[in-house]
Amino acid sequence: ILNVEQSPQSLHVQEGDSTNFTCSFPSSNFYALHWYRWETAKSPEALFVMTLNGDEKKKGRISATLNTKEGYSYLYIKGSQPEDSATYLCASGGSQGNLIFGKGTKLSVKP
Amino acid sequence: DGGITQSPKYLFRKEGQNVTLSCEQNLNHDAMYWYRQDPGQGLRLIYYSQIVNDFQKGDIAEGYSVSREKKESFPLTVTSAQKNPTAFYLCASSLRGSSSYNSPLHFGNGTRLTVT
Repeated sequence: ILNVEQSPQSLHVQEGDSTNFTCSFPSSNFYALHWYRWETAKSPEALFVMTLNGDEKKKGRISATLNTKEGYSYLYIKGSQPEDSATYLCASGGSQGNLIFGKGTKLSVKP
Repeated sequence: DGGITQSPKYLFRKEGQNVTLSCEQNLNHDAMYWYRQDPGQGLRLIYYSQIVNDFQKGDIAEGYSVSREKKESFPLTVTSAQKNPTAFYLCASSLRGSSSYNSPLHFGNGTRLTVT
């Protein structure tokens, strides 16, 4: 079974801090890397889907990079806000969208 | 508004009973998925379907069954053979069936199943 690892497991930052987390995945038979944000009492929401080595994607203050050769992706949040508090999931997997998820990084942003 | 509806939100069953979790989508998506979440674990794939009348086992299919008779619906049955059925179950869909690896998943709000 494909193994997707995320670090750190949890993170506490102050409002205004910038932060980043890591997702590592097997680099062989790579198809795509997904990032999701999962807020408490809501359903996971897609942030990015990346497929090409060197991909960089940005949505507002959140950005992500992808290195398929070495099997890692970084998610960056610039100037964290309390509303960024959530669990961030990454996933990779097969050609049919059958994704394997990491355990997530739980981010808490204090005002 | 288009979306995925899972019902019920909470479900309680006695051990030994089969139970069916509902998942309906009106997004016109081809592919649908069932995931399970347990404390301290990532989402684990139970079953997925790329097209009507076809589905494949995920990583933890034992003790579960599904059907895909309509594009909009992908119900999951938790059978009495599932040894640890108490968990949070998430249904998802994505636009494309084949080659759907680059289509983002859209998730429902989940069903929390408790079996005693």
